[in-house]
Amino acid sequence: DTGVSQDPRHKITKRGQNVTFRCDPISEHNRLYWYRQTLGQGPEFLTYFQNEAQLEKSRLLSDRFSAERPKGSFSTLEIQRTEQGDSAMYLCASSSRGDTQYFGPGTRLTVL
Amino acid sequence: KNQVEQSPQSLIILEGKNCTLQCNYTVSPFSNLRWYKQDTGRGPVSLTIMTFSENTKSNGRYTATLDADTKQSSLHITASQLSDSASYICVVSRWENTGFQKLVFGTGTRLLVSP
Repeated sequence: DTGVSQDPRHKITKRGQNVTFRCDPISEHNRLYWYRQTLGQGPEFLTYFQNEAQLEKSRLLSDRFSAERPKGSFSTLEIQRTEQGDSAMYLCASSSRGDTQYFGPGTRLTVL
Repeated sequence: KNQVEQSPQSLIILEGKNCTLQCNYTVSPFSNLRWYKQDTGRGPVSLTIMTFSENTKSNGRYTATLDADTKQSSLHITASQLSDSASYICVVSRWENTGFQKLVFGTGTRLLVSP
């Protein structure tokens, strides 16, 4: 399977804990995106990488959120001191130049 | 304000019937419009993409239309199947000042195809 993969698929954590999600994009794609989707809503943009450079960050991305793509391949999204409001589906997508973004299956986070 | 609104919020149809989903947008500057299908618990999958100059695009039983003057789009599903049950999200791309193409998502129409 050469699609976008995300790990883990589900994460349950207690409020105040840190969590980290991983995204592996389609191998030839140099652009990688993170989105957050809450129930009944469309995805909201969080951040965008072109190769290893983080070029765009949404105001939704508070100081508790950090994303990296150190070698321009996989990416990680870390949430520190999780809050109940962080409960959502975190989606990763990748694309080549301006082409269609291909989404991964998402990581569903539940903060208790 | 850059927004994408979809209607109806939800829809139930009988298997084999046709349906049309609507999308209105205020996104500017416009780059392109996509329709995505999202199954429950999965990531969205692209169905169609249309640029400013295109007013219709088909993908099998899915046909999308775009009226760039009125900023409206529709997605028509023909001869619905049970597997069409999903959320259908209208997504409009806009160009940011930095050259980044940002996607603005609608809230989706949840379609249920009943046997």
